[in-house]
Amino acid sequence: DQQVKQNSPSLSVQEGRISILNCDYTNSMFDYFLWYKKYPAEGPTFLISISSIKDKNEDGRFTVFLNKSAKHLSLHIVPSQPGDSAVYFCAAHNNDMRFGAGTRLTVKP
Amino acid sequence: NAGVTQTPKFRVLKTGQSMTLLCAQDMNHEYMYWYRQDPGMGLRLIHYSVGEGTTAKGEVPDGYNVSRLKKQNFLLGLESAAPSQTSVYFCASRKTGMYEQYFGPGTRLTVT
Repeated sequence: DQQVKQNSPSLSVQEGRISILNCDYTNSMFDYFLWYKKYPAEGPTFLISISSIKDKNEDGRFTVFLNKSAKHLSLHIVPSQPGDSAVYFCAAHNNDMRFGAGTRLTVKP
Repeated sequence: NAGVTQTPKFRVLKTGQSMTLLCAQDMNHEYMYWYRQDPGMGLRLIHYSVGEGTTAKGEVPDGYNVSRLKKQNFLLGLESAAPSQTSVYFCASRKTGMYEQYFGPGTRLTVT
């Protein structure tokens, strides 16, 4: 069963605009959430995270929002840059880590 | 610091052959993981280890075995490869008390 879902396989955004990537989960026992970024032929790299006791975490151009009642997580990138073009995975931790299927973000110059 | 390294980077196997994938980390991390990535499926956990000499099953463990004889190494074995095991395999590690995992560059395995 997929406990973490990213329903948008791809997203295209103009440079300078906001990118919003979404993630839904089903397991209310998840206690920590993370976003990873992946370039082709490389392993995923950690981007930003949020504890289940918080609703927002910000790091530079990246902000993660958590809505526990809706079991929904989102990543905002402002402003988007061409170098942000990559596949983004959300992940959720309980006893182990569960990953979504990923969203491919393309930022057009 | 090399971080997490994986060997080999690519491999082609025939059905029924065996092989071992090696993961090494130089960050003194306690936890190590093996994932597979398939199109539309994200990363799925195969096996993991919480320390030297210990291993546990993940989400999709069937057809794989692992060993962690040294803290810095985590081996993933396929005893009798099947085409369904064609995938990209990622190793990761993390420190106790932290959630962020550090990933290797991946191994692309094709089973014909």
